[in-house]
Amino acid sequence: KNQVEQSPQSLIILEGKNCTLQCNYTVSPFSNLRWYKQDTGRGPVSLTIMTFSENTKSNGRYTATLDADTKQSSLHITASQLSDSASYICVVSRMDSSYKLIFGSGTRLLVRP
Amino acid sequence: DTAVSQTPKYLVTQMGNDKSIKCEQNLGHDTMYWYKQDSKKFLKIMFSYNNKELIINETVPNRFSPKSPDKAHLNLHINSLELGDSAVYFCASSQPDRATYEQYFGPGTRLTVT
Repeated sequence: KNQVEQSPQSLIILEGKNCTLQCNYTVSPFSNLRWYKQDTGRGPVSLTIMTFSENTKSNGRYTATLDADTKQSSLHITASQLSDSASYICVVSRMDSSYKLIFGSGTRLLVRP
Repeated sequence: DTAVSQTPKYLVTQMGNDKSIKCEQNLGHDTMYWYKQDSKKFLKIMFSYNNKELIINETVPNRFSPKSPDKAHLNLHINSLELGDSAVYFCASSQPDRATYEQYFGPGTRLTVT
């Protein structure tokens, strides 16, 4: 079954600290993996998109990694800021259905001062 | 100059009513989508239109009917609303001429059925 699982479900960190969010997927055939940030009351916004051949991608303080062999991805946030408080959603696309994205349930991150 | 806009942002209605949610994108994209985000925060695709043609129709009750008058608009009409329809509905658009096309989401419409 095509699934995307994320951990932890929620996370609280202090401002300035780093954190890493995890994503495991069973989607096949794999096309690409995305990380989205969703602020409360807003739509998701893309942070990174990685294809099979990419194993790391950065967007400012956000760095995503992908291990297509183990079907795992992580999102590392460096020097967290209060504005990083949001849900982070891992999304995987299948090769045979590029229009259809499979979403994880997200990790809810709270950054405290 | 919002890229993907939805109206209304909040919708409170009673069971059995019929309601519509509108979506417009000014990105010039060919493909538009409707997603439902339930209380557990999972986003699930409902429909997708490419150039006004339906390309994805997930297992959604036929009380839900999308309509695309042109490629910049995709509206969602819901008949005979039920309590279980309460959720946040997101519209999105993309230009699927690349393998890693980006989907741009609207701000969402929070539907509450009482």
